[in-house]
Amino acid sequence: DAGVTQSPTHLIKTRGQQVTLRCSPKSGHDTVSWYQQALGQGPQFIFQYYEEEERQRGNFPDRFSGHQFPNYSSELNVNALLLGDSALYLCASSSEEPATDTQYFGPGTRLTVL
Amino acid sequence: AQTVTQSQPEMSVQEAETVTLSCTYDTSESDYYLFWYKQPPSRQMILVIRQEAYKQQNATENRFSVNFQKAAKSFSLKISDSQLGDAAMYFCAYRKYNNNDMRFGAGTRLTVKP
Repeated sequence: DAGVTQSPTHLIKTRGQQVTLRCSPKSGHDTVSWYQQALGQGPQFIFQYYEEEERQRGNFPDRFSGHQFPNYSSELNVNALLLGDSALYLCASSSEEPATDTQYFGPGTRLTVL
Repeated sequence: AQTVTQSQPEMSVQEAETVTLSCTYDTSESDYYLFWYKQPPSRQMILVIRQEAYKQQNATENRFSVNFQKAAKSFSLKISDSQLGDAAMYFCAYRKYNNNDMRFGAGTRLTVKP
């Protein structure tokens, strides 16, 4: 049973660039959430996707956008990168049918903005 | 706003002994979920244990158990018979019922001494 996978593992970008991170949910899961984890802090909720739509959003600017595909995989896009966007980006999946209130996390993508 | 506080940035325990990690949270809700996640150096966030607020019985998973005090808004994690593999960052998390924004504490780094 494949768990949550994310790609790439590491990424280095410069300020002003754009980045796309990818996530494949755990088998049987249809909901994907994205989190940003700055160094030394707990994760912060960016948004959640279900049925290919953004269902809920945390306190992040519009530079952060996403997409969910028919196979439930998801992308996180960040435009106009800032130094402060350097962080570990975590994807978590869960299921609506049957509903599970537990999110399972991937290994994350480490983004460094120079 | 719901906030989660972990007052112990670092904890240390001798192998085979017991350690308790503290967590408090602030909420005006009556229905919610609480979680403890473990994040080893591999970065993947692993679910340790979960608790539904409506359940009075404390959750237990093998060597891991919680002390859930709803009135005090306290949710501590007890690890019995500590093992070297328990060394990791431990995050306490809160999620309101029917809300997808999971709030995390800042984490407690647990060291296990042989």
